[in-house]
Amino acid sequence: DTEVTQTPKHLVMGMTNKKSLKCEQHMGHRAMYWYKQKAKKPPELMFVYSYEKLSINESVPSRFSPECPNSSLLNLHLHALQPEDSALYLCASSQGGVNEKLFFGSGTQLSVL
Amino acid sequence: GESVGLHLPTLSVQEGDNSIINCAYSNSASDYFIWYKQESGKGPQFIIDIRSNMDKRQGQRVTVLLNKTVKHLSLQIAATQPGDSAVYFCAENLDSSYKLIFGSGTRLLVRP
Repeated sequence: DTEVTQTPKHLVMGMTNKKSLKCEQHMGHRAMYWYKQKAKKPPELMFVYSYEKLSINESVPSRFSPECPNSSLLNLHLHALQPEDSALYLCASSQGGVNEKLFFGSGTQLSVL
Repeated sequence: GESVGLHLPTLSVQEGDNSIINCAYSNSASDYFIWYKQESGKGPQFIIDIRSNMDKRQGQRVTVLLNKTVKHLSLQIAATQPGDSAVYFCAENLDSSYKLIFGSGTRLLVRP
């Protein structure tokens, strides 16, 4: 299994809603990532978990809350989002060390109304 | 030819020709580089990588060249096919960290 699986594929939410994005991999990878991608722009790093501990937070607003329940799962909890948070949210994983290639999921397309 | 529009720079090539996509990276301390391909509605797909102690690496139909003196990376695709049409991103790993930072991207269009 060489896939990173993200659910849901599409999500529409209001500014007062609470929702969660989910990501799963079964490659035995120990580093997992969240990226945000706006249309026609490159992916921007949000968070990195290494061995289930938060390693990097790129000054992301607190309305985004990551969680890594175990080495195979990564969640992104969303609360009180703004319309400008609408984007493609990409999850990725790598083996666990630095300077390794990332494997990406297909993303969750999020629309905030 | 190559053009810069309002959004992504676009490279248009004839099917069967070779393509060269260029990337300038920002940090002289970056020591690992990757090229990704992203098709519409999909996540980035790994193409090829190169470490800073190398200046060239070849894969199947693809070659990556690294010029650390001018902080320049290029991706060469041989015998470009319609399936190669996508957006291509270079990415650099900063300071042997988990930070993989993407460049702005180039759209490759393959004319039949």
